[in-house]
Amino acid sequence: EVQLVESGGGLGQPGGSLRLSCAASGFTFRSYWMSWVRQAPGKGLECVARIKRDGSEQLYVDSVRGRFTISRDNAKNFLFLQMNSLRTEDTAMYYCARVNDGDYVPHFDLWGQGNLVTVSS
Amino acid sequence: SYVLTQPPSVSVAPGKTARITCGGNNIGGKRVHWYQQKPGQAPVMVMYYDRDRPSGIPERFSGSHSGNTATLSINRVEAGDEADYYCQMWDTTNDHLVFGGGTKLTVL
Repeated sequence: EVQLVESGGGLGQPGGSLRLSCAASGFTFRSYWMSWVRQAPGKGLECVARIKRDGSEQLYVDSVRGRFTISRDNAKNFLFLQMNSLRTEDTAMYYCARVNDGDYVPHFDLWGQGNLVTVSS
Repeated sequence: SYVLTQPPSVSVAPGKTARITCGGNNIGGKRVHWYQQKPGQAPVMVMYYDRDRPSGIPERFSGSHSGNTATLSINRVEAGDEADYYCQMWDTTNDHLVFGGGTKLTVL
């Protein structure tokens, strides 16, 4: 079955760290860019990080650059998001999403179920 | 950064046609994608490259793009179509994948 399953997350303290994982199955993981998309409670969607097929390039939204690190293990079909220097505004549901860039216009064609991250003291 | 503008809410009676718009400066030459998110669920892509439907998405869903506005249309709306809908495009200037603010579709 083609799917993405997230794990990790939970409750983190301001200034602390958390790590999210995403297990991919049912497709050739190394052939796709991958991303993390978050959704704050009651708010819209925001793509916070993307990583190239071979992991050689990472892109971040301004609000997380320097604090979050996206990485991948193509041998084990895993995507990661290391979140450091957490802020209360990082509280959100975090989705792992596959990026389809056919015709060079990227879109998200497969989503995980989401993993809730709460930052609070 | 690039801003995509959607109406916060659209209401439609069952069996009628819902139209959800997505606007932005100079999006006329850019492809727009659409996602449906039902309460408590992950988003699902319902339209890509303005007007292409993924497999499994009913033919009642269609997309169009004219000038600086992209539109997702849902014909013969059903109660099960009630959800939040988001448009998305690629901001090539900043290499960001940008979402609109979302539109809550209410079926009356």
